[in-house]
This record gives sequence, structure tokens and C-alpha cells, in this order.
Amino acid sequence: GESVGLHLPTLSVQEGDNSIINCAYSNSASDYFIWYKQESGKGPQFIIDIRSNMDKRQGQRVTVLLNKTVKHLSLQIAATQPGDSAVYFCAEKDTGGFKTIFGAGTRLFVKA
Amino acid sequence: EAGVAQSPRYKIIEKRQSVAFWCNPISGHATLYWYQQILGQGPKLLIQFQNNGVVDDSQLPKDRFSAERLKGVDSTLKIQPAKLEDSAVYLCASSLGHNNSPLHFGNGTRLTVT
Repeated sequence: GESVGLHLPTLSVQEGDNSIINCAYSNSASDYFIWYKQESGKGPQFIIDIRSNMDKRQGQRVTVLLNKTVKHLSLQIAATQPGDSAVYFCAEKDTGGFKTIFGAGTRLFVKA
Repeated sequence: EAGVAQSPRYKIIEKRQSVAFWCNPISGHATLYWYQQILGQGPKLLIQFQNNGVVDDSQLPKDRFSAERLKGVDSTLKIQPAKLEDSAVYLCASSLGHNNSPLHFGNGTRLTVT
């Protein structure tokens, strides 16, 4: 079965607020983690990634935090915009790096 | 760079019929993946190619699904015969192939089996 899961299936935030999407993983051998954004009718789009030797990585308006102790991953979106409305997936790769496993996803709604 | 191309965009067939999907990955990407995404779920890996060789097809229902990547570039995924539960979006993705390279997805083929 899937080893990557998400705490909340939906998240609703006010435009301009910060969003935090959480993800739990169970495979201790996973050493590479990726966040994808999927808009309706489109394929998942890469947002940001992080390797297991890091605990934080920042991009443009997005930050990924990795807590290997509790096997937890989060995606923070600053100043959330209507265009951020989508389903967000976390994914993991194990040490061999061959297989990318996806979680079930969190749907983010941004209220204007 | 041009993205991953997939066709057709939509397909409706009756159960027990056959169907084929086509994928053209990003130029230079050695690894190609086919994922199945059922509505409301995350993508599930069906098969992964490294160049024209199969790396992982453990989740592919081989009694009805087949895939090939003959020249290490384009790929086709076939279902024969289709079942109602095959209704899903079939996503193709490609990557450079090294350990920490993310996947780049096409927009998928939405299959409806009636």
C-alpha cells in the first residue's frame, strides 16, 4: 500500500493568509521528498523538493519542512493566492530512487 | 522546453474493448513512467522504463495492461480488454533518471469505460 499519507483531505484559507499542508510518510529509507500541485484537468506540477540531509528548503513563496524524527513533511505557502487553489501531493523516493510514491492529496481552497 | 505530450486527451470505450495511449517524454529524459490516477486519489505507478528497459512493472495488471518503449523515447500503454474499474486518468511522466530528479507530467488521458 501507499506509504505516504496526508493529515487533511481539504484545506480552506483566506486569500493573503499563509497555508500549511502536512504529510506523513512511513518509509525510513525515503531520502528524497517532492511536493506537486495538480490543477483540474492537468498533470501534477513540480513545486519544490528536499533531500533527507536537509530540514528546510525555500522557494518562491513556498517552504518545505522535513522532520525525519517523526517522519513528517509540510508545505508552507506564503500569502496564498486564488491561483494556488489546487490539489497538493507529497511524494517520496527511497534510497534507490527508482520509485516515486504519492500520497492521496490535499485540496486547497482559497477564499477571496 | 516542450513538456510531456500525451494523446488522446479523452477516450470513452465500452467494457471489453481495447484502448491505447501514447506518450512523448521531454527530450533527453531517460526515465518514463505511466501512472494511473483514479478520481480523488494520488497517482499510482503502473510501469517505469529506463531508456527502453522496464525498471518496475510490479503494479501493472499484466493480464490486461501492456506497455512498450521500443526506441527509448515514445511509449504506448494498452488495455485489452478494458474493465469498468479501469476508468481513470492515465498520466505519463518523464525524468532525467538520476536519484533526485523530479517527475515531469503530461496532462493525462481521461479514460471512461462504460
